[in-house]
Amino acid sequence: QVQLQESGPKLVKPSETLSLTCTVSGDFISVHYWSWIRQSPGKGLEWIGSISNSGSISYNPSLKSRVTTSTDSSKNHFSLRLTSVTAADTAVYYCARGSHLSWFDPWGQGTLVTVSS
Amino acid sequence: QSVLTQPPSVSGAPGQRVTISCTGSNSNIGAGYNVHWYQQFPGSAPKLLIYGNNNRPSGVPDRFSGSKSGTSASLAITGLQAEDEAVYYCQSYDSSLNVFGGGTKLTVL
Repeated sequence: QVQLQESGPKLVKPSETLSLTCTVSGDFISVHYWSWIRQSPGKGLEWIGSISNSGSISYNPSLKSRVTTSTDSSKNHFSLRLTSVTAADTAVYYCARGSHLSWFDPWGQGTLVTVSS
Repeated sequence: QSVLTQPPSVSGAPGQRVTISCTGSNSNIGAGYNVHWYQQFPGSAPKLLIYGNNNRPSGVPDRFSGSKSGTSASLAITGLQAEDEAVYYCQSYDSSLNVFGGGTKLTVL
């Protein structure tokens, strides 16, 4: 059974960098594409970006200038960095298996990140 | 406003059939890109319900079905049950990014 678990700070100050890691169990990072998706409180879903272990990356154009994703096959996890955050970046951040051209399955349980001073 | 348009809410009585529409355009659904559907309960992550327009992952009841025609797609739920009350999202691809519908809240009366 494939499981994903997000981890990282739950509170980030405005203008600072949000950093999250998604640890994968039951599957190998090297085999698939992996993605980040967020959901602002009470709102819908927004795709952030997708990455493969071979280095193929795709980002949401609206976030591209602030987003970086990476993989670490030795730890079987992948990561998200979002710079210069504002209150608008407050959301539940999900990691999921899948690429920008496919479906997402499974998803991590999600982690609420709040941007506040 | 989402690139994919869904009704904010739908409702139905137990045992009934409901459909949830997902309206796109010629740059996403109409361009031939697949549509996927998710079910989300409060406080939980979305769960894949339908992939590739009309395919059910293992474990999803056959009461759930998907279809696609032109620039739109639909999710149908037959034999409605109280446990189906959730928010449903459609997803597709458009102009180099992945897009979701705004979500539809299904209420079982």
